[in-house]
Amino acid sequence: GQQVMQIPQYQHVQEGEDFTTYCNSSTTLSNIQWYKQRPGGHPVFLIQLVKSGEVKKQKRLTFQFGEAKKNSSLHITATQTTDVGTYFCAAATGNQFYFGTGTSLTVIP
Amino acid sequence: EPEVTQTPSHQVTQMGQEVILRCVPISNHLYFYWYRQILGQKVEFLVSFYNNEISEKSEIFDDQFSVERPDGSNFTLKIRSTKLEDSAMYFCASNALYGYTFGSGTRLTVV
Repeated sequence: GQQVMQIPQYQHVQEGEDFTTYCNSSTTLSNIQWYKQRPGGHPVFLIQLVKSGEVKKQKRLTFQFGEAKKNSSLHITATQTTDVGTYFCAAATGNQFYFGTGTSLTVIP
Repeated sequence: EPEVTQTPSHQVTQMGQEVILRCVPISNHLYFYWYRQILGQKVEFLVSFYNNEISEKSEIFDDQFSVERPDGSNFTLKIRSTKLEDSAMYFCASNALYGYTFGSGTRLTVV
């Protein structure tokens, strides 16, 4: 199946610091989605990126799709304790999405 | 906001028993999915369902698994003869254009 790698696996930051997670694929992606899963919760859709080089912002979150459409990143500016959770990218192939391994974010107050 | 509803929230079953996990997708969605997440690991695709039939399935979705849409609203995942390694959270999801909506999951524990 589709291989989607995410780094880092874990990240601890002090509240107010920035955070970035990266998603990489060996193949060109048609699109990519990002999800957030709070501890004990279910994945919640954040955004979809479709175009090469696309950048989208949601408040403190910035999502980027690489020019070659093989990688993507999620950047959070000035983290807050409410940002705690695991962030997954999901890459489209065929009719379904394959989830990356996720980056677990811990924010230290 | 429309929700995907899953029942039960937690199911404990003996190894070898059959379980049925139930989902009610969002009513106007056309694609339905089952995913599973073993504790601490990534979300894994199991199967997608469209127009009353399986459209794609992963290697995980072997003969032990089956899905059904018995009526216009429910979408079920049946696991025959459960194994210890089937213990996981099972998420149902549905979508229309893009962006899946996930249910809150069923935690299956096989003992």
